[in-house]
Amino acid sequence: EAEVAQSPRYKITEKSQAVAFWCDPISGHATLYWYRQILGQGPELLVQFQDESVVDDSQLPKDRFSAERLKGVDSTLKIQPAELGDSAMYLCASSSPGDREEQFFGPGTRLTVL
Amino acid sequence: AQTVTQSQPEMSVQEAETVTLSCTYDTSENNYYLFWYKQPPSRQMILVIRQEAYKQQNATENRFSVNFQKAAKSFSLKISDSQLGDTAMYFCAFMKSAGYGNKLVFGAGTILRVKS
Repeated sequence: EAEVAQSPRYKITEKSQAVAFWCDPISGHATLYWYRQILGQGPELLVQFQDESVVDDSQLPKDRFSAERLKGVDSTLKIQPAELGDSAMYLCASSSPGDREEQFFGPGTRLTVL
Repeated sequence: AQTVTQSQPEMSVQEAETVTLSCTYDTSENNYYLFWYKQPPSRQMILVIRQEAYKQQNATENRFSVNFQKAAKSFSLKISDSQLGDTAMYFCAFMKSAGYGNKLVFGAGTILRVKS
């Protein structure tokens, strides 16, 4: 069964360092989402891609976060510099028009900023 | 903006019993989708059940069913014959239906523990 892949699964970094997360969506899924899940809260959308174009990045802290999906397939989310408040689970999801709006989630990357 | 509220931070249920998780939402949209997602410990989030707002009939998926009250903006999840594998965080989520590929707006989640 096809799954969304994410790496790394865990990342520990010191504040002011740069970190990057990678996501490979289910093959053929044109829409890709990055969500941030702070401990004890529900996920919140950071950025959404349709193919290689950004559809929604209204909640992305653009002074330190960037995201790209250059070929419309896999995607990278970067934080530079990381801050203590960035500690969270970063979830990637993908969807396709044929799946009745279901989003398929990856296992996430748990980031700890020290 | 849409908001989703889950007022039960934690719930527990005995194996084989029935439990209901609550969810309310706020929106000015008339057409939308509602979802319950399950996030088991250290595993990825998966869809449990979905409801289209234009459908009056409540959705069911095996042991999982919903009670959708559109006027009250309420969307509860009932799990029958609870199993140990149902232990997880459960999220209620809202999605606008206009267009395609809209974002999910999640509640804060309810931790469900099934006890043997």
